[in-house]
Amino acid sequence: QKEVEQDPGPLSVPEGAIVSLNCTYSNSAFQYFMWYRQYSRKGPELLMYTYSSGNKEDGRFTAQVDKSSKYISLFIRDSQPSDSATYLCAISGGADGLTFGKGTHLIIQP
Amino acid sequence: DGGITQSPKYLFRKEGQNVTLSCEQNLNHDAMYWYRQDPGQGLRLIYYSQIVNDFQKGDIAEGYSVSREKKESFPLTVTSAQKNPTAFYLCASSMRGPDTQYFGPGTRLTVL
Repeated sequence: QKEVEQDPGPLSVPEGAIVSLNCTYSNSAFQYFMWYRQYSRKGPELLMYTYSSGNKEDGRFTAQVDKSSKYISLFIRDSQPSDSATYLCAISGGADGLTFGKGTHLIIQP
Repeated sequence: DGGITQSPKYLFRKEGQNVTLSCEQNLNHDAMYWYRQDPGQGLRLIYYSQIVNDFQKGDIAEGYSVSREKKESFPLTVTSAQKNPTAFYLCASSMRGPDTQYFGPGTRLTVL
């Protein structure tokens, strides 16, 4: 079983819809949870960072962590065409860095 | 402006040649990382360094080498031993090991 599972998509939704992106993980030692956004041919950009179960909100973005289910989510409200990108979840539990999901390709249709 | 720079943005290499990718950061971060990204594969860790003059192999270190002589610099050499080097290479840094990582813009390497 892979350490972090993420549906690669593509996920296509109309502009203005609420988007839900998800990852599951297997290692209960993981403590830090991040979401990155990556535009084509660019480096990933940090969107959200949390280390506890529950919700964290930043503008149109909400990160949710359920440690008991080993499940993390990113919600995007009022989605815009500029949100079209690949979204990577990343989880950390030790000094050797992050474990990344493979990314979900999101398309927001105008 | 603080950040991570990578150069060059595009790099072409003939088979059998070694090439070095540059990564510099002015964020005063202790840890630096190199990842390789291929379509459908996600990010795979090549090497990482927690402190100057020390580095560790990641998941796919074969055919690559690094050095960490200065805190702000972590160059990656892709050697001729790397059988399939064409990929997008990303450098990242973090304050310390388990912390959030910040990425550079990437270098796209193509072997001709």
